[in-house]
Amino acid sequence: NAGVTQTPKFRVLKTGQSMTLLCAQDMNHEYMYWYRQDPGMGLRLIHYSVGEGTTAKGEVPDGYNVSRLKKQNFLLGLESAAPSQTSVYFCASRDPQRGRLDEQFFGPGTRLTVL
Amino acid sequence: GQQLNQSPQSMFIQEGEDVSMNCTSSSIFNTWLWYKQDPGEGPVLLIALYKAGELTSNGRLTAQFGITRKDSFLNISASIPSDVGIYFCAGPNSGYALNFGKGTSLLVTP
Repeated sequence: NAGVTQTPKFRVLKTGQSMTLLCAQDMNHEYMYWYRQDPGMGLRLIHYSVGEGTTAKGEVPDGYNVSRLKKQNFLLGLESAAPSQTSVYFCASRDPQRGRLDEQFFGPGTRLTVL
Repeated sequence: GQQLNQSPQSMFIQEGEDVSMNCTSSSIFNTWLWYKQDPGEGPVLLIALYKAGELTSNGRLTAQFGITRKDSFLNISASIPSDVGIYFCAGPNSGYALNFGKGTSLLVTP
């Protein structure tokens, strides 16, 4: 069981470039999340999904798009990267049906720098 | 979403000392979660609290769900160097997502 994995681990982009961050989970969880973490700001929710084919905006969605075409994958896209999107991005997943209801399992993070 | 305020922002302590940190909310929560983030890793759940007044332990860690349901406390006894990291409190902000505090950064010197 790999849990939640994220690809890539590190990336450097130039302003205006696009990229997609991939999150995969092998726990058959319904819910998946994308957060960004900036110094002194904690974790802020970008977008989330409560099932295959559904997505919703979180606290800081501007400049990002997401897709959940398969239950195990949640993609985060940056169409035109800006320096303000320099951050560490975390994906998380959760199974609302069993165990501790609110527990989210996090991936190891993707460190993105936009020059 | 609800504001979660964590204090202190950072702590620098010696190995063997006890640590206390807390989290307060502007509104009532039915669940409090405490996560730890090791340097370079994603957060991992330490303790979950589901009832007002509940006191739960996980090894040297003890967390309490405040009676008012607007606060929670995390204590670490006899700290060791591997306790270094950022500790986050979190609570549900809807049926789906969590609100996180800004974290308490803990440094432990041998």
